[in-house]
Amino acid sequence: QVQLVQSGAEVKKPGASVKVSCKASGYTFTSYDINWVRQATGQGLEWMGWMNPNSGNTGYAQKFQGRVTMTRNTSITTAYMELINLRSEDTAVYYCARGGIGELWDWGQGTLVAVSS
Amino acid sequence: EIVMTQSPATLSVSPGDRVTLSCRASQSLTSNLAWYQQKPGQAPRLLIFGVSTRATGIPARFSGSGSGTEFTLTISGLQSEDFAVYYCQQYHNWPPGWTFGQGTKVEIK
Repeated sequence: QVQLVQSGAEVKKPGASVKVSCKASGYTFTSYDINWVRQATGQGLEWMGWMNPNSGNTGYAQKFQGRVTMTRNTSITTAYMELINLRSEDTAVYYCARGGIGELWDWGQGTLVAVSS
Repeated sequence: EIVMTQSPATLSVSPGDRVTLSCRASQSLTSNLAWYQQKPGQAPRLLIFGVSTRATGIPARFSGSGSGTEFTLTISGLQSEDFAVYYCQQYHNWPPGWTFGQGTKVEIK
């Protein structure tokens, strides 16, 4: 079955960066986009961007352009999301999700990133 | 950016009720609309995509409908496991990308 397993929780200081991993299994990694979505505590879902694991092409929501980078390592079927220049407002659970045309079929378990001085 | 507006914010219902959740888009989406269910402490789960197609394993009591800018998720015969937050999502055009509604919480009356 499809599984997306994310890396563990992180605590970062303002101005630092974080890199979250998403290990995919149970399907052909290069055949489906990986999207990243975040959710602050008690808040709704916020889409951050997508990456095509085959080509490496990416597309980021305007809000995150310049601060987010999505990459992959196809040899280990793992996608990564790096967010730089962290601020307290970036405290959230970050999810990776396998995408179809745009709908999000399968989700990772989430990674809590806490930003605090 | 396409803005998605869900209503109501909270719905208090009883098991067995028929529930209708609304989602409005700021511009026409054609058929690029999905619904998700999220329970506390869990990742979202895809329920419906393409406005009305149920995802794999989703019970038939969940149905989606609508067109243009107005969309609806209906749960016929609410079960105890259906109490959750529901989000709509548009994936109409890139750029600028996908957006979610703010969610509707379905709670026990």
